[in-house]
Amino acid sequence: AIQMTQSPSPLSASVGDRVNITCRASQAIRNFLGWYQQKPGKAPKLLIYTASSLQSGVPSRFSGSGSGTDFTLTISSLEPEDSATYYCLQDYTYPYTFGQGTKLEIK
Amino acid sequence: QVQLVQSGAEVKKPGSSVKVSCKASGGTFSNYDISWVRQAPGQGLECMGGIMPVFGTANYAQKFQGRVIISADESTSTAYMELSSLRSEDTALYYCAIFKDPTGLHPVDVWGQGTMVTVSS
Repeated sequence: AIQMTQSPSPLSASVGDRVNITCRASQAIRNFLGWYQQKPGKAPKLLIYTASSLQSGVPSRFSGSGSGTDFTLTISSLEPEDSATYYCLQDYTYPYTFGQGTKLEIK
Repeated sequence: QVQLVQSGAEVKKPGSSVKVSCKASGGTFSNYDISWVRQAPGQGLECMGGIMPVFGTANYAQKFQGRVIISADESTSTAYMELSSLRSEDTALYYCAIFKDPTGLHPVDVWGQGTMVTVSS
């Protein structure tokens, strides 16, 4: 199975900061990578699909990049409501696998 | 847009089994790739496996091989996840989810409401 390794975890940043969360796959997954945001008590919400495509309705401060094994989620200017846990998901091959999550705290 | 509705919370004894259902509406059930994801309290998301009902063949994460059976009933548009030999570590919120459309090219971010399974003696 493909392993997904996220970093950093946890992450603390201030409103207005630019933050990067990275995800590394144990083997190449082309661009079959999604980024999810989860807030307490809620189901995860898709932010980015196919590594760099912004899901409809998601603020443009979120962006994704990468291909192959290395991927990055960038939040260009943090807002208070971005406090959440972020997960990457590879859907290149079965079984799909999530990264271990990055808990983002807003200082 | 497809929607997923799961069965209710369960309390089980160690060593027993649980079967969670996930009923789809509003879409062509058979062609969707339905995944099962669990989340233990305070922990991350874990993909257990999935099924595409039109093919009927399930895939499983190695961690759950031999203990989980994922199935689907096209006549009722319902997917199932059965986990056996339950232990306390299986206490978690179990989600069914659809990540992609039937072509596999477009995202579908649809989740069931989650089913809490508690394993306790």
